Amino acid sequence: DTAVSQTPKYLVTQMGNDKSIKCEQNLGHDTMYWYKQDSKKFLKIMFSYNNKELIINETVPNRFSPKSPDKAHLNLHINSLELGDSAVYFCASSQDRGQLAALFEQYFGPGTRLTVT
Amino acid sequence: GNSVTQMEGPVTLSEEAFLTINCTYTATGYPSLFWYVQYPGEGLQLLLKATKADDKGSNKGFEATYRKETTSFHLEKGSVQVSDSAVYFCALSGSRYGVQGAQKLVFGQGTRLTINP
Repeated sequence: DTAVSQTPKYLVTQMGNDKSIKCEQNLGHDTMYWYKQDSKKFLKIMFSYNNKELIINETVPNRFSPKSPDKAHLNLHINSLELGDSAVYFCASSQDRGQLAALFEQYFGPGTRLTVT
Repeated sequence: GNSVTQMEGPVTLSEEAFLTINCTYTATGYPSLFWYVQYPGEGLQLLLKATKADDKGSNKGFEATYRKETTSFHLEKGSVQVSDSAVYFCALSGSRYGVQGAQKLVFGQGTRLTINP
């Protein structure tokens, strides 16, 4: 069974379009994340939600809007796509351990490769 | 802020060679340290972790020791295999956000490892 799944796996679209990436986890975790991996493989956190509440919001253009309909899902909507948005986007999840959260690993999805032309 | 620096790749070795991938960090407090591995076309998987000074994480023949005095967490393996070819990421988690326990993983830039038969 897939623990963290993302759809689609590949997404090719034109500049100016609006697109969404979906993420689901079946691990029963309370916290979910979105990361962006650029062409040089550098990974940077974008957002984190805990029980549908936004917890971490890094310096990301407001064209990016995460939405969490329930704690098992965290979707990423991107408006007015730009060439620089081309990257691999990873969803991840972790269990909420309160003050022990830093001790536990995150589980990553397979990634969505977004190409903006 | 927190940061992680890894040795630059790519690293190319022959099968059965000894591997070291250097990782140093800058953080306040007492971070947890992780090594994640990304096989081609896949998401990240946790390889090993250490949560306090002098802890040694180990898995699949890989080891890393949390050295607070040198702020390092170098990855080692005594005899690498072709199947170890992947990108390796050192990461730290030192912050708990809000009372909900979301953690912010800070990644190094990744080291691409290629093992030749």
